[in-house]
Amino acid sequence: QKEVEQNSGPLSVPEGAIASLNCTYSDRGSQSFFWYRQYSGKSPELIMSIYSNGDKEDGRFTAQLNKASQYVSLLIRDSQPSDSATYLCAVNVGNTPLVFGKGTRLSVIA
Amino acid sequence: DVKVTQSSRYLVKRTGEKVFLECVQDMDHENMFWYRQDPGLGLRLIYFSYDVKMKEKGDIPEGYSVSREKKERFSLILESASTNQTSMYLCASSLIAGATNEKLFFGSGTQLSVL
Repeated sequence: QKEVEQNSGPLSVPEGAIASLNCTYSDRGSQSFFWYRQYSGKSPELIMSIYSNGDKEDGRFTAQLNKASQYVSLLIRDSQPSDSATYLCAVNVGNTPLVFGKGTRLSVIA
Repeated sequence: DVKVTQSSRYLVKRTGEKVFLECVQDMDHENMFWYRQDPGLGLRLIYFSYDVKMKEKGDIPEGYSVSREKKERFSLILESASTNQTSMYLCASSLIAGATNEKLFFGSGTQLSVL
């Protein structure tokens, strides 16, 4: 059974701080890694994808992947109250559908 | 603009009823998925399809079936609804047949309550 683990939170950070969200996965054959954001009452939307070890930056968001340690993280710089949401980590192995973690709830305090 | 449309936002059904949840995408996507989302349990895959007439079981298929007669439409069927099927149901699609390393587009969800 492929597993994707996330701390459920809530993770509370002050406005302007860096929010760090972490995810670990069980299958060493995992190849593709995604972060989805889900606002309360809304459906998930993709914010970042990463496929190789290292960092990938997109605006205020940075995804970090370490396959040897089997973790992927998402950093949100200059956190805003509008970043308050649940962040879902999703992992892909081969041609099987994505496996989602249970999500981490982030709260950015103004 | 890409769109995945789920027929109902809220649905209330009685135990034992047959329930149909409809999902239509207008993006010519090959892959379609049904998930359910419950507090504390996250998103769990019920069924998926990589092609018309094709269906595969996900992690929690018991009590559900699906139909994909046309490429753009993927229906989830609860043969005999039970209270433990009360949940938020999310449909999703993606572009390339069998490719699972690409962006999923989600519908707005159907909150189903079974009484």
